Amino acid sequence: DAMVIQNPRYQVTQFGKPVTLSCSQTLNHNVMYWYQQKSSQAPKLLFHYYDKDFNNEADTPDNFQSRRPNTSFCFLDIRSPGLGDAAMYLCATSRDAGQGLDEQFFGPGTRLTVL
Amino acid sequence: DAKTTQPTSMDCAEGRAANLPCNHSTISGNEYVYWYRQIHSQGPQYIIHGLKNNETNEMASLIITEDRKSSTLILPHATLRDTAVYYCIVRVGFRGQNFVFGPGTRLSVLP
Repeated sequence: DAMVIQNPRYQVTQFGKPVTLSCSQTLNHNVMYWYQQKSSQAPKLLFHYYDKDFNNEADTPDNFQSRRPNTSFCFLDIRSPGLGDAAMYLCATSRDAGQGLDEQFFGPGTRLTVL
Repeated sequence: DAKTTQPTSMDCAEGRAANLPCNHSTISGNEYVYWYRQIHSQGPQYIIHGLKNNETNEMASLIITEDRKSSTLILPHATLRDTAVYYCIVRVGFRGQNFVFGPGTRLSVLP
C-alpha cells in the first residue's frame, strides 16, 4: 500500500548531539511537511517542501533544518537538540492537485527523547 | 492561531452517532473545512473536508451550516476504535498552506 514511512519510530539522543529523522513516501506526492507535536499539544508545522522549493515557518528555530534529496525522501536535522525539543515529529505529504484537493497524509511519527 | 473553536472533550456511547461541533465564524469564502483525527501515539488521519455543501464518505458525514460559520462532523455508529482527538481546521486548500491545528476535541467512545 502507498504510504508515508518514518524511521526510526523512537529516537534517543543526547543534549547537543545532532540527530536526523527520516521520512519516505510511496505516494509520489510533490509536497512534504514536517510537524512537531509536544506532549498533549496539537501538531505545529515547522516547514514544508513543494518539490524542491523549501518553505520555512517564521517561528521555526534555526536549530531545525531539512533536506529533500528527491521526491520520495525528506530529512529533518536537529543540529543541537535541547531538552525542549523532545517531541513527536510527524511527516506528512500532499498531492497539490488543486484547491481543496490537497488533504495531507501523515506518517506514524518519530518520538524523540533528549537526555 | 487556529481559526476554529471546539469543545475540549466529549463522550459517546458505542453504537450511537457521535456529533462533533466546530465553530469557524471568521471563515472566508474560499476556505475549506477539514477534519482530521489522531488516535493515541499515531499520526493524524484525514477524515473529510468540504466547502459549503454537506459531504459524506465511508468514515463520516460533514454538515456545514448555510452561513458556513459552523460545522458538525458525524460518525454514524461510533466504535471504541473511534476514540481519538478530532481536529477541525479551516484553510484555503492550496499547496503548502498551513494546517493550523487547534487543541481539538477528545472523543471518548464508551462501551
